[in-house]
Amino acid sequence: SQKIEQNSEALNIQEGKTATLTCNYTNYSPAYLQWYRQDPGRGPVFLLLIRENEKEKRKERLKVTFDTTLKQSLFHITASQPADSATYLCALNDYKLSFGAGTTVTVRA
Amino acid sequence: GAGVSQSPSNKVTEKGKDVELRCDPISGHTALYWYRQSLGQGLEFLIYFQGNSAPDKSGLPSDRFSAERTGGSVSTLTIQRTQQEDSAVYLCASSLDLGEAFFGQGTRLTVV
Repeated sequence: SQKIEQNSEALNIQEGKTATLTCNYTNYSPAYLQWYRQDPGRGPVFLLLIRENEKEKRKERLKVTFDTTLKQSLFHITASQPADSATYLCALNDYKLSFGAGTTVTVRA
Repeated sequence: GAGVSQSPSNKVTEKGKDVELRCDPISGHTALYWYRQSLGQGLEFLIYFQGNSAPDKSGLPSDRFSAERTGGSVSTLTIQRTQQEDSAVYLCASSLDLGEAFFGQGTRLTVV
């Protein structure tokens, strides 16, 4: 089965900087790769979906890349704000939805 | 409904009792997922339904755990003879095929 690894458990950055999160997987490339945000005590909320034939996807200050050769996705939050502080989860979608452990981002004012 | 609804939102039960957790997915969503999340941990996959069938039950921790889905809609997750290690937040999500998944607010289960 797929093993999904997200970089360091925690990322602390200064407001205004760009946060870059990494998601690596081990086996076959999924049809879709998704990113979610989870706040304490809440269920995950969908942010972006990227297909295997897409290299990059953007939504406001968020950007996702998908490299099937490297088996890696990068998630960028540009011009970060304290409100971006949360745990960000990578999910692979083949016939089921499997999640990585998440990276907790803290943006300092 | 407007979103995924889970009930109860909180459940405290005595060790050894059975519990049933309910999930009402978004109408028309064919895929339904159950996950478990312990404090400070990631999402642990439990089971996945496509329609009423469960192609993947590999995540169920033991034979004390079972789940069903009826009418391609409501799903129940049953835990028999609960143990303290079953204490966690149980999350349900639904999606249309392989797209965006919508999560419920979760059921916080505490086994005392």
